[in-house]
Amino acid sequence: NAGVTQTPKFQVLKTGQSMTLQCAQDMNHNSMYWYRQDPGMGLRLIYYSASEGTTDKGEVPNGYNVSRLNKREFSLRLESAAPSQTSVYFCASRAASTDTQYFGPGTRLTVL
Amino acid sequence: QKEVEQNSGPLSVPEGAIASLNCTYSDRGSQSFFWYRQYSGKSPELIMSIYSNGDKEDGRFTAQLNKASQYVSLLIRDSQPSDSATYLCAVRPDGNQGGKLIFGQGTELSVKP
Repeated sequence: NAGVTQTPKFQVLKTGQSMTLQCAQDMNHNSMYWYRQDPGMGLRLIYYSASEGTTDKGEVPNGYNVSRLNKREFSLRLESAAPSQTSVYFCASRAASTDTQYFGPGTRLTVL
Repeated sequence: QKEVEQNSGPLSVPEGAIASLNCTYSDRGSQSFFWYRQYSGKSPELIMSIYSNGDKEDGRFTAQLNKASQYVSLLIRDSQPSDSATYLCAVRPDGNQGGKLIFGQGTELSVKP
């Protein structure tokens, strides 16, 4: 099993450009999450999907949209990137049986 | 705003010592508590979860929970240089749907040989 995979690993954007971060899990988990991590800020929840077909806002949703494409895939879209969105983005999925969130390797995004 | 607070550190301990990491939370109704470890440049991984007041031990790690004081801690016995990482405390607030967590800002631990 690959676990949680994310693409791309690195990305540089110019202000105003758009992009989609991809996330997939092969563990048959219902719940998936998108976080951003900034220095000294810990992990902050952007959006989550408790189950296929549902999405909800987290702590910092402004400037982002998400799509739960199917049970495996949960994408994060930046419609018009801003320098304040420079961050490391982590996707996670949750095993309900063990109450454990498993994280992907992260995407390091820089917005110039 | 539901909050989780940690000392950012860095916390420096000598090899073989006990490292003590602390976390406080604001939502009194929280029921689930987690400690994640994150090595530099890597993703977080779960090392301990605790749900009831008291201590929970797993190898060299002990999680302690005091709901009355809204306090959760992680003790690492016989600290090793390989334990050097950032430790993230996470809390699931009361009534939470979807299993979402609120994370503290993390405590950086450095274990000196």
